[in-house]
Amino acid sequence: SQQGEEDPQALSIQEGENATMNCSYKTSINNLQWYRQNSGRGLVHLILIRSNEREKHSGRLRVTLDTSKKSSSLLITASRAADTASYFCARGANSKLTFGKGITLSVRP
Amino acid sequence: EAQVTQNPRYLITVTGKKLTVTCSQNMNHEYMSWYRQDPGLGLRQIYYSMNVEVTDKGDVPEGYKVSRKEKRNFPLILESPSPNQTSLYFCASSPTYGGGARDTQYFGPGTRLTVL
Repeated sequence: SQQGEEDPQALSIQEGENATMNCSYKTSINNLQWYRQNSGRGLVHLILIRSNEREKHSGRLRVTLDTSKKSSSLLITASRAADTASYFCARGANSKLTFGKGITLSVRP
Repeated sequence: EAQVTQNPRYLITVTGKKLTVTCSQNMNHEYMSWYRQDPGLGLRQIYYSMNVEVTDKGDVPEGYKVSRKEKRNFPLILESPSPNQTSLYFCASSPTYGGGARDTQYFGPGTRLTVL
């Protein structure tokens, strides 16, 4: 399977703290994407990083990609209660997007 | 408003009764895809389509059919639903034919299906 591992499975932090989520994968990719899902709703795209990029920023989000280690990290800075959601990394390759099982982030007010 | 729509949003049915879940996008996207989401398993791709009349199997295609006769529509058909197809289903679209492998995917709101 192309699915990798997301780490941790669940994360609980205080509002204002930073949240770091990790994703590893096994095969080569074209890009790696992060999505957010609020309970039972559709997924919302957060950020896409291509295989030839090492770091991207979008607002309070920072994503890194290390293709030599086949891993990516999503950092959410200055977290808010509204960031409470499930976060998925997805590997893009061979006309497909393959999702991990997700990370549950809880931000306590 | 640019969006992906799915209907119905909720459906309870019985084993063996054929059903169709519709998906439509108004963004003129080339690529469309269906996923199912189950607890502890994440999202798994059922079928995808890179263009009109072009469809291909994803990771879990058994028990499902799709068609892509028009660019905007990509219905998911369960000809004989079974309880193991109880799940949350998402349709998604992407601007380019390479789909999520090269571009962002835009998701519909989901269809919660229960098969008794």
